[in-house]
Amino acid sequence: EVQLLESGGGVVQPGGSLRLSCAASGFTFSDYTMNWVRQAPGRGLEWVSGISGSGATTYYADSVKGRFTISRDKSKNTLSLEMNSLRAEDTAVYYCVKDENSWFPSFLDYWGQGVLVAVSS
Amino acid sequence: EIVLTQSPDTLSLSPGERATLSCRASQSVVGSYLAWYQQKPGQAPRLLIYAASTRATGIPDRFSGSGSGTDFTLTISRLEPEDFAVFYCQQYGTSPVTFGGGTKVQI
Repeated sequence: EVQLLESGGGVVQPGGSLRLSCAASGFTFSDYTMNWVRQAPGRGLEWVSGISGSGATTYYADSVKGRFTISRDKSKNTLSLEMNSLRAEDTAVYYCVKDENSWFPSFLDYWGQGVLVAVSS
Repeated sequence: EIVLTQSPDTLSLSPGERATLSCRASQSVVGSYLAWYQQKPGQAPRLLIYAASTRATGIPDRFSGSGSGTDFTLTISRLEPEDFAVFYCQQYGTSPVTFGGGTKVQI
């Protein structure tokens, strides 16, 4: 059974940093692209970032490019998102999401339960 | 980036009725690489359909997807009580992947 468990959320001041983690199990982690998708309170879904199965290629939405860094550790089956220079508009539930594809973001077949990041002074 | 516009914003129906949800793209979706997701309150989204018309594992056959180019449709043939939720379309044929704004199906 595929399981994705996010951690690291919380309240942070504007301009601050936070690191999200996602522990994956139930599938061969290095075979699949992994993604972060966020959802602001009462709003729709926004794809944030993805990383290929090998970890060689990363993808970012324009809204986070240069501020967020995605990475993966195949020895620990863990996905991470380092978030810097946080803004109020980054406030959202962040989902760790498994992709069907090995090389680039495509459709998303398994989702974690999400972790809340609140950027507020 | 490709903008996806979903309509209507809200659909008010009763159990047993047919639901038809629309997703229109600002440009042609490459390969008909379009997916649909269902999200219930307080839960993560769930994959329903990919490649415009292929049901994901375990999805009942009352859910069906169709369309190509810029116009796509999700149809729920007979609504069950557990189907009331928000539905999102997503294109993954062109980077970056993008989502529509969602359609809420309510009783």
